[in-house]
Amino acid sequence: DAGITQSPRHKVTETGTPVTLRCHQTENHRYMYWYRQDPGHGLRLIHYSYGVKDTDKGEVSDGYSVSRSKTEDFLLTLESATSSQTSVYFCAISYPGGGETQYFGPGTRLLVL
Amino acid sequence: QQQVKQSPQSLIVQKGGISIINCAYENTAFDYFPWYQQFPGKGPALLIAIRPDVSEKKEGRFTISFNKSAKQFSLHIMDSQPGDSATYFCAASMSGSGGSNYKLTFGKGTLLTVNP
Repeated sequence: DAGITQSPRHKVTETGTPVTLRCHQTENHRYMYWYRQDPGHGLRLIHYSYGVKDTDKGEVSDGYSVSRSKTEDFLLTLESATSSQTSVYFCAISYPGGGETQYFGPGTRLLVL
Repeated sequence: QQQVKQSPQSLIVQKGGISIINCAYENTAFDYFPWYQQFPGKGPALLIAIRPDVSEKKEGRFTISFNKSAKQFSLHIMDSQPGDSATYFCAASMSGSGGSNYKLTFGKGTLLTVNP
């Protein structure tokens, strides 16, 4: 799994609560990404990071924020969870010289009630 | 605006048959086209990838065919096996300068079922 862990792996929360998902890599790769996967929508990019403290928005960033204070950790925060954010969240990493290949973590299944 | 369109949504093939999944893209700046395979409960994993300087790439039973003029590419799985049953995603990205940051745009996926 390319040295990527995600935590928690499963979470149930209530509407309006903040939620933070963590992606941890042991590969020291520069680029990290957060995706959500929903039936009929495939994988959609939420936010990505191209270095420590360097982040940018993806196509579905509304309602999400990210932080990267260390190379190995990329945090995704749902400021106030909504039922529409029920999804499976995947973290991915890539590195220059490795081409555009992205390596994915095992995913976090989030249910917002 | 969906930049990568994938079809079919689902596909059922008999063991030993050929599975074909198609993708079309709109952005002519895309220059890297990977296919990912995903098993239930797992993250997607790179299966095979192609760049537009070649029209075909083969790795074992998996082949990508690429048609630059038509802006289409497809995945062919020869001698399909039950173990190939998974969801397949095509994707595209831009490399090089311009700050693309290796972002991938994914198709919506194809659920492949190979019957024994």
